[in-house]
Amino acid sequence: DVKVTQSSRYLVKRTGEKVFLECVQDMDHENMFWYRQDPGLGLRLIYFSYDVKMKEKGDIPEGYSVSREKKERFSLILESASTNQTSMYLCASMFPGTSGRSINTGELFFGEGSRLTVL
Amino acid sequence: QKEVEQDPGPLSVPEGAIVSLNCTYSNSAFQYFMWYRQYSRKGPELLMYTYSSGNKEDGRFTAQVDKSSKYISLFIRDSQPSDSATYLCAMSTNSGYSTLTFGKGTMLLVSP
Repeated sequence: DVKVTQSSRYLVKRTGEKVFLECVQDMDHENMFWYRQDPGLGLRLIYFSYDVKMKEKGDIPEGYSVSREKKERFSLILESASTNQTSMYLCASMFPGTSGRSINTGELFFGEGSRLTVL
Repeated sequence: QKEVEQDPGPLSVPEGAIVSLNCTYSNSAFQYFMWYRQYSRKGPELLMYTYSSGNKEDGRFTAQVDKSSKYISLFIRDSQPSDSATYLCAMSTNSGYSTLTFGKGTMLLVSP
């Protein structure tokens, strides 16, 4: 079975802190994604990556950055956390793995989520 | 008009009922259609996947796509309390570099 592991299920941080959310997948998928999920707003794409060291902005990248140094690991970084970044963060990888920029077949595997509270 | 519309619910039904969950969309370029199920405090998991129009059945679940009406449905027969979850529709185009567009999800509650 594909496993997408998010390192922290629950985090509490203070405004202005730097926050790292880590995600690891074990199926050699090339494509990885970070979403946030908020009541009434659904899932919103923050960033995605279709290859090592590659990244693309999603719909709401402001206030976030990402890092993909290894194929299996995709990190989301909040440079200076703010209260409006309190949310559930979901990492996902895509099956099947594809090369290049074509990533449109759509079968996402999600982690269990990281619930971040910023005070 | 939002790209994908989905009634948030909650939809409450008794055990054994037939459930119909629906999404409408505006982008005629969507070709791949998916339903994800999300239990409370968990990540979504893929439930059904269809390409283009037509029906697909998997046990108690049937996914239906009507591209002419830009309407997709998920039917659950003989619903069980374990089906209580949020169901998200998702879709994507067939053009080189696209990501999924999700509906906001419908919460389903099946009472024993």
